[in-house]
Amino acid sequence: DAGITQSPRHKVTETGTPVTLRCHQTENHRYMYWYRQDPGHGLRLIHYSYGVKDTDKGEVSDGYSVSRSKTEDFLLTLESATSSQTSVYFCAISDAYENTIYFGEGSWLTVV
Amino acid sequence: GENVEQHPSTLSVQEGDSAVIKCTYSDSASNYFPWYKQELGKRPQLIIDIRSNVGEKKDQRIAVTLNKTAKHFSLHITETQPEDSAVYFCAASGTALIFGKGTTLSVSS
Repeated sequence: DAGITQSPRHKVTETGTPVTLRCHQTENHRYMYWYRQDPGHGLRLIHYSYGVKDTDKGEVSDGYSVSRSKTEDFLLTLESATSSQTSVYFCAISDAYENTIYFGEGSWLTVV
Repeated sequence: GENVEQHPSTLSVQEGDSAVIKCTYSDSASNYFPWYKQELGKRPQLIIDIRSNVGEKKDQRIAVTLNKTAKHFSLHITETQPEDSAVYFCAASGTALIFGKGTTLSVSS
């Protein structure tokens, strides 16, 4: 398995609180991604990064922000969590555009 | 941006039968089309991929075909086994990989 670590793996938080999920990789891959997975919706791209400090929006970016200050870390922040953001969040990495992406183990987030 | 449609959403087959999952995409600039398998509670994992300069690719019981003109690609699993039961996702390379909504494959023995 690719060296990808997500933290926390499980979190319960209250509506309106900020939440940060961390993705850490040891592969030195250039590209990093955040997806969310919900029943009936598959995997939807939230944000992605193509280098340090280079990020772009995905399909469902509203309510989320990201930062990448180091090659190995990609942070996803929910500014003010809502119940609709209850989901499983997957980080993924890739060494090149249009190449295989490898997923982390996922972070289960529940917003109550 | 890229949009990927995947059908069917559920598929039930008998062990030994073949299974076919189909996807269409919208962005003619997409060149990379992977398929991922996700078992319950696990991360998605790549099972096969195809690039736009290839029409078909096989790996043992799994094959993928691509028709760039029609903008569709398909996953074929032959001689299905109970361990093939999982959710399968197709994807296409837009600015980043965009996934279909998934197909839940159930193989009964």
